[in-house]
Amino acid sequence: DTGVSQDPRHKITKRGQNVTFRCDPISEHNRLYWYRQTLGQGPEFLTYFQNEAQLEKSRLLSDRFSAERPKGSFSTLEIQRTEQGDSAMYLCASSTTVYEQYFGPGTRLTVT
Amino acid sequence: AQSVTQLGSHVSVSEGALVLLRCNYSSSVPPYLFWYVQYPNQGLQLLLKYTTGATLVKGINGFEAEFKKSETSFHLTKPSAHMSDAAEYFCAVSNTGANSKLTFGKGITLSVRP
Repeated sequence: DTGVSQDPRHKITKRGQNVTFRCDPISEHNRLYWYRQTLGQGPEFLTYFQNEAQLEKSRLLSDRFSAERPKGSFSTLEIQRTEQGDSAMYLCASSTTVYEQYFGPGTRLTVT
Repeated sequence: AQSVTQLGSHVSVSEGALVLLRCNYSSSVPPYLFWYVQYPNQGLQLLLKYTTGATLVKGINGFEAEFKKSETSFHLTKPSAHMSDAAEYFCAVSNTGANSKLTFGKGITLSVRP
């Protein structure tokens, strides 16, 4: 069990560019979550997958945001036409039950 | 809808002193409650959780929390603070539904003075 991994750990991009983040969950974890954490705030839910099915999205997730989990394994989160307000830490978590989510180290996005 | 209130953004204690971090929640259904800890530039680590059963739950690193339904509270305590406890602490609530997404409070930064 190597834990949840996220890549990259840091991303600096210019406004208007597209970015993609990857999350590799703990193997055999069928549930996968994305959260966004801005400075001084707790994480906010973005979206949830059970296996490859995306079952819920937050209203925070505008049409510039999209997430996929092909084959129910790793997941990607893409932000198109980035804005300065997208600067945040993007956290991924995985689980097998409703009781416990294991978080990755996060991807810190800075939009200049 | 669910929500979590963590009063105050910063708590400072002396090494060896009691740690008390407060958390109140709002939920229309019986909640699951969690405390997570976050060290700088790292993800969140689960300290402890309440799902059902015993209302006093023990977690890692000597922390414990008590679920009080009448007070809608889930305060985190540790009898004796250690320097390594300095971090940010988040209280979270989830419903018992299928998605179990977490709703977090704003977090409390704990400082430990030598």
